[in-house]
Amino acid sequence: AQSVTQLGSHVSVSEGALVLLRCNYSSSVPPYLFWYVQYPNQGLQLLLKYTSAATLVKGINGFEAEFKKSETSFHLTKPSAHMSDAAEYFCAVSDYQGGKLIFGQGTELSVKP
Amino acid sequence: ETGVTQTPRHLVMGMTNKKSLKCEQHLGHNAMYWYKQSAKKPLELMFVYNFKEQTENNSVPSRFSPECPNSSHLFLHLHTLQPEDSALYLCASSQGYRGPGEAFFGQGTRLTVV
Repeated sequence: AQSVTQLGSHVSVSEGALVLLRCNYSSSVPPYLFWYVQYPNQGLQLLLKYTSAATLVKGINGFEAEFKKSETSFHLTKPSAHMSDAAEYFCAVSDYQGGKLIFGQGTELSVKP
Repeated sequence: ETGVTQTPRHLVMGMTNKKSLKCEQHLGHNAMYWYKQSAKKPLELMFVYNFKEQTENNSVPSRFSPECPNSSHLFLHLHTLQPEDSALYLCASSQGYRGPGEAFFGQGTRLTVV
């Protein structure tokens, strides 16, 4: 069975500071990994995805994530936080079956001025 | 425009009512999903449909009844719900078995059971 653990249900950073949201996964097969963002009262929007190509994946809005098999991690980073980055972020894993996503608990990101 | 449209966006219903949530996707996908998002809880996968066939039901109570008449439409029929069923219900679609394509989500239906 696959699972995802997001460390920290809430992360707070100052505007301009580094954003680091942690995600660890468990999968018996090579995983496909995703980061989604959710703004209040909205659906989920894909930020980026890892599908066994490059281990460093760049996404929208300046976010990127690095797949580290040895650490079973897929942490999300952004060099400089912006106020508009405040939202909830979800890490998800799927297998070769395609599309059925298993989500982590979510991390709420707050950005202080 | 996400390509996945859910209606209604908000719904308030009594415990004895019957209502339906609708989801439509214009992405040519073959798989559709219902997720439940409750406050302080992880997203819960409820149902999975591939090529109109239900392939997964994650022990969802029978008061939730899904229907997938074709690959573009998905419904969730609701009856005799409980207050704890109040949540954001999200529909998603993806390519399905052919690949690891990401899921595209609708805006969700905010359901309140009174």
